[in-house]
Amino acid sequence: DAGVTQSPTHLIKTRGQHVTLRCSPISGHKSVSWYQQVLGQGPQFIFQYYEKEERGRGNFPDRFSARQFPNYSSELNVNALLLGDSALYLCASSSEDDSIGELFFGEGSRLTVL
Amino acid sequence: GQNIDQPTEMTATEGAIVQINCTYQTSGFNGLFWYQQHAGEAPTFLSYNVLDGLEEKGRFSSFLSRSKGYSYLLLKELQMKDSASYLCAVLDSNYQLIWGAGTKLIIKP
Repeated sequence: DAGVTQSPTHLIKTRGQHVTLRCSPISGHKSVSWYQQVLGQGPQFIFQYYEKEERGRGNFPDRFSARQFPNYSSELNVNALLLGDSALYLCASSSEDDSIGELFFGEGSRLTVL
Repeated sequence: GQNIDQPTEMTATEGAIVQINCTYQTSGFNGLFWYQQHAGEAPTFLSYNVLDGLEEKGRFSSFLSRSKGYSYLLLKELQMKDSASYLCAVLDSNYQLIWGAGTKLIIKP
């Protein structure tokens, strides 16, 4: 079975641009979470979706948005990119809706903002 | 505020034992996770503790004391492949994972 897949794996953008990151969860998993990990730090929670509904939102500005599709895949959108948005964006899926279940992470999308 | 503290870096010798500590102050508690993250890779699950005590899984064990807001990850018979960052994360009252910055473990031959 395929694990969590994310695309693109690497991308470079300039300040002010917009980016869309995509995530496909493990088959059968209905919960998807997004995290931002800056080099040398732990992941920071951005969003969680379960059954296409937002279940949690971290302390990120409104420039960050996400959605989950009927097939449980998800997109993370970031508008008006800032240099500080440069990070590894991790998607994690689980079979549970309350995050008690084990999280399975994708390899991440590494975003560089110039 | 919510806070999770772990040492930034630790060094240990191949074949030895190392204990990585984690202290936390969070709004509520619904369990504590340990994840391993090799450089440039995604985190992988190691353990989950929600009750006090020691959970053993092969060479790795995790301990939790809720009254002290404290956990540790114990790694035995260290191997070179154990060189990685070890992340402590707490599930708070809103079922959101709050992560520590990670402990970089360096294994020397």
